[in-house]
Amino acid sequence: QKEVEQNSGPLSVPEGAIASLNCTYSDRGSQSFFWYRQYSGKSPELIMSIYSNGDKEDGRFTAQLNKASQYVSLLIRDSQPSDSATYLCAVREYGNKLVFGAGTILRVKS
Amino acid sequence: GAGVSQSPSNKVTEKGKDVELRCDPISGHTALYWYRQSLGQGLEFLIYFQGNSAPDKSGLPSDRFSAERTGGSVSTLTIQRTQQEDSAVYLCASTTSFYNEQFFGPGTRLTVL
Repeated sequence: QKEVEQNSGPLSVPEGAIASLNCTYSDRGSQSFFWYRQYSGKSPELIMSIYSNGDKEDGRFTAQLNKASQYVSLLIRDSQPSDSATYLCAVREYGNKLVFGAGTILRVKS
Repeated sequence: GAGVSQSPSNKVTEKGKDVELRCDPISGHTALYWYRQSLGQGLEFLIYFQGNSAPDKSGLPSDRFSAERTGGSVSTLTIQRTQQEDSAVYLCASTTSFYNEQFFGPGTRLTVL
């Protein structure tokens, strides 16, 4: 059973701080990694994808991937109250299925 | 262009009834996925369609669940003889990318009384 693990949180950060969300995965052969944001009562929204080791930046978001350590993270700079949501990490399995973590609840306090 | 659409947005049914949930993927997307999300839980994979290939049904929880995709586009998830434990949000996602960036519809909230 391939697994994706996330700390459930909640992770609380003050407005303007950097939020760091972490995810580990069990399948060493995984090649594609995704971060989704899910507001309460809404469906998941894709915010970042990453395929190569290193960092990928998009606005206030940076995804970091370390395949050797089987670790992917999401940094949110200048966190805003509107960033408060559940963040889901997803890893592509062989055969095109995505395995999702249970999500980390982020709370940004103003 | 329009995103993934699902209908109905909410469905309340009585235990033992059959229900049909519909998903209309993004035009041109070749792959379509169904997931289930119970209250406070993560996403549970149900079934996956890719082009004309046989669907991957490995996530369907019982033989009461079935799905079809007509003409490579619209998909219907059918739950027969619904049970209270079937109550959840049913999410559909589609993708065309090799890298599998999936885009989700708004979901159908199913409540079985």
